[in-house]
Amino acid sequence: AQSVTQPDIHITVSEGASLELRCNYSYGATPYLFWYVQSPGQGLQLLLKYFSGDTLVQGIKGFEAEFKRSQSSFNLRKPSVHWSDAAEYFCAVGARAAGNKLTFGGGTRVLVKP
Amino acid sequence: EAGVAQSPRYKIIEKRQSVAFWCNPISGHATLYWYQQILGQGPKLLIQFQNNGVVDDSQLPKDRFSAERLKGVDSTLKIQPAKLEDSAVYLCASSRGVENEKLFFGSGTQLSVL
Repeated sequence: AQSVTQPDIHITVSEGASLELRCNYSYGATPYLFWYVQSPGQGLQLLLKYFSGDTLVQGIKGFEAEFKRSQSSFNLRKPSVHWSDAAEYFCAVGARAAGNKLTFGGGTRVLVKP
Repeated sequence: EAGVAQSPRYKIIEKRQSVAFWCNPISGHATLYWYQQILGQGPKLLIQFQNNGVVDDSQLPKDRFSAERLKGVDSTLKIQPAKLEDSAVYLCASSRGVENEKLFFGSGTQLSVL
């Protein structure tokens, strides 16, 4: 069975500082990896996804993520955080063998200090 | 294009009552998912439909939860009778069903069971 761990429940970062959110997955076959963002009262919005190829993936809103197979990780980064990035971020793993369903991590809530 | 529509937006009921949620996916999307998101946790898949057939309902508490997608378009999720631990946001998502295409999420229905 596939699983996702996001070790950090909360992260506080100053506006303009860099941000890195950790994600570790467990899956027996080749994983497909996603990062979603959820703002209060909103649905989940896809930031980026990794299927194959280049292990550094660029997404929307200036985010990027790096897939490291040896570490079973898919960490999300942003060089300079804006106040509007305050939200909850979810890492998810999916695979065709699982019927394309997504398994989500527990989420990391990001707070941005002015 | 219109997004995934869900209603109602909020629902408050007492335990042992019944409740139903409605979802209208993006037009042309063959796959529809219902997720349960308990406060402070990541979304958990309850059921996945491909057109009007069930692909995966392994995590659906079938003694109280039911879902249908009779015409392969919109879907209804029902809880009867509700328990306190059913308090959560119920998210509907859809996709075309193409391998590992991203899921589009609705804004969810927030259920409070008192």
